[in-house]
Amino acid sequence: GQQLNQSPQSMFIQEGEDVSMNCTSSSIFNTWLWYKQDPGEGPVLLIALYKAGELTSNGRLTAQFGITRKDSFLNISASIPSDVGIYFCAGRSRGGTSYGKLTFGQGTILTVHP
Amino acid sequence: GAGVSQSPSNKVTEKGKDVELRCDPISGHTALYWYRQSLGQGLEFLIYFQGNSAPDKSGLPSDRFSAERTGGSVSTLTIQRTQQEDSAVYLCASSLGTAGRSPLHFGNGTRLTVT
Repeated sequence: GQQLNQSPQSMFIQEGEDVSMNCTSSSIFNTWLWYKQDPGEGPVLLIALYKAGELTSNGRLTAQFGITRKDSFLNISASIPSDVGIYFCAGRSRGGTSYGKLTFGQGTILTVHP
Repeated sequence: GAGVSQSPSNKVTEKGKDVELRCDPISGHTALYWYRQSLGQGLEFLIYFQGNSAPDKSGLPSDRFSAERTGGSVSTLTIQRTQQEDSAVYLCASSLGTAGRSPLHFGNGTRLTVT
């Protein structure tokens, strides 16, 4: 089945530093999404990407949909303590009975030291 | 409603008992999804509904797991004869449709503990 490899698994950074994480897939996706999950809550959508090569920003967050449609990255600039959490990439493919579902990466745990 | 609502938020049950988890999607969302998240893990797909039908139930771990959706709205995930390995957070999500520009919106999950 489809698999997403997300890296790094965890990051420990100082406040103000930039962060980069990425996901690679064994198959093509037509949608890439990035979510953040805080403790005890469900994942919250950060950025959605719908077109190969697309680069989208949301405040201090920037994400790109890879040209091959098999990868995506998320950058966070000038990190702040509230950026702490688990970040997930997710991909959705086209066609078949799996058309609707998202496949998730294993998550990147981000810790920001003040 | 304003967001996806799940109940109960926490459930502790004894091994061998049946449990029902409920999800109320965002009003007007036709697609509904169930995922499972074990401690420190990513999200494992279980099943999704388009309307009341389930085109993909490939993620259900065993025949002890079943789900239904009625009226194109509320969904119930049932786990029969629970086992300790069923302990996890069960997350429900909904989306406007299954087409590309329909991101999933998640509830806060039901934390299931099987003792």
